[in-house]
Amino acid sequence: DAKTTQPNSMESNEEEPVHLPCNHSTISGTDYIHWYRQLPSQGPEYVIHGLTSNVNNRMASLAIAEDRKSSTLILHRATLRDAAVYYCILIGLNAGNNRKLIWGLGTSLAVNP
Amino acid sequence: NAGVTQTPKFQVLKTGQSMTLQCAQDMNHNSMYWYRQDPGMGLRLIYYSASEGTTDKGEVPNGYNVSRLNKREFSLRLESAAPSQTSVYFCASRPRQGSVPLFFGSGTQLSVL
Repeated sequence: DAKTTQPNSMESNEEEPVHLPCNHSTISGTDYIHWYRQLPSQGPEYVIHGLTSNVNNRMASLAIAEDRKSSTLILHRATLRDAAVYYCILIGLNAGNNRKLIWGLGTSLAVNP
Repeated sequence: NAGVTQTPKFQVLKTGQSMTLQCAQDMNHNSMYWYRQDPGMGLRLIYYSASEGTTDKGEVPNGYNVSRLNKREFSLRLESAAPSQTSVYFCASRPRQGSVPLFFGSGTQLSVL
């Protein structure tokens, strides 16, 4: 089962960009890279996902390495509200993939004022 | 926009008591999921329902039962609660299986004494 590796914690200053890395060296060709975040006392919230090309939305950007073995979630200007745990997970196209979703411990992001 | 609604938000049980955690989504999603989250561990899938009328076991189903009451509602039942079931429980849904975002509820914090 494809697994991801993320740093346990990172720190940033408000209004600065944040680059959150994720390694997924065993990714398969049909695995999409998803990012979620979990604010304190809330459920995880979808942030962004992609397959091969870099992706942008209103929340963040996702940069995917050419070999797809790693990716980076980019928050362009961190705010205090971005302090959360960020999860990188792989979700395949197959219908029976749910039991194989591996949610690690994610990266706990602290944002300093 | 209610999204995924879980009730109750907090519950304290004594060992051996039973209870049902309720989950409802108003997004017309086909697939629904129950996860538990424990300190130091990632989210773990308990049961899921790929579509109305079907349910299947996830990674940690022992001690739980589920009912997909209709397309909107997916309940999780603890028949005889044990201290090991002390956890935060999250319900999630998505339009269909495969690589599409999951939408989570805000969670139920359950303590079993």
